[in-house]
Amino acid sequence: KNEVEQSPQNLTAQEGEFITINCSYSVGISALHWLQQHPGGGIVSLFMLSSGKKKHGRLIATINIQEKHSSLHITASHPRDSAVYICAARQGAQKLVFGQGTRLTINP
Amino acid sequence: DAGVIQSPRHEVTEMGQEVTLRCKPISGHNSLFWYRQTMMRGLELLIYFNNNVPIDDSGMPEDRFSAKMPNASFSTLKIQPSEPRDSAVYFCASSWGKDNEQFFGPGTRLTVL
Repeated sequence: KNEVEQSPQNLTAQEGEFITINCSYSVGISALHWLQQHPGGGIVSLFMLSSGKKKHGRLIATINIQEKHSSLHITASHPRDSAVYICAARQGAQKLVFGQGTRLTINP
Repeated sequence: DAGVIQSPRHEVTEMGQEVTLRCKPISGHNSLFWYRQTMMRGLELLIYFNNNVPIDDSGMPEDRFSAKMPNASFSTLKIQPSEPRDSAVYFCASSWGKDNEQFFGPGTRLTVL
């Protein structure tokens, strides 16, 4: 069993739908990162959180430390949100352990 | 800022050849990370440096892989000899401090024939 599990692995939705991607981890963490990998391959950091909730534009990330679970939500999804979303558990000060990624496709 | 710079962007080589991947971190960042991404295993940490010193190299697959950071603005990842199973995208990332987000380079796509 992987230390960091994401679900679903693939998600296809229509433009405007509310999107939820889940991440569960089995290791102790100092923070949880959400990353976005564009179709061209580039990786961008979206959020880094250790408690509660963070919001940036239409993206919201939450974490429940007791349940070892985090979610990434996208409101009013748009085709440009199509990408692979990766959660990563930070162990100690800097080491990241990655989930396998969720491939999101938003159709117009 | 130019962001994290990696070279080459693409590398095709034959089995047994030496491969050197290069990374220039964001100026002022003091941590540098090398990652490998494959379809089968996803993203994996290979090694990371703090202030040019290797801190954790437990992800380096075997002795064929080596990484150096001779100064704050340059790092290399070397594979010698290369094998087809080393084919992957190799990312370099940098950050400032120990609890901050990492900024990723564009990656080097390595193909070993």
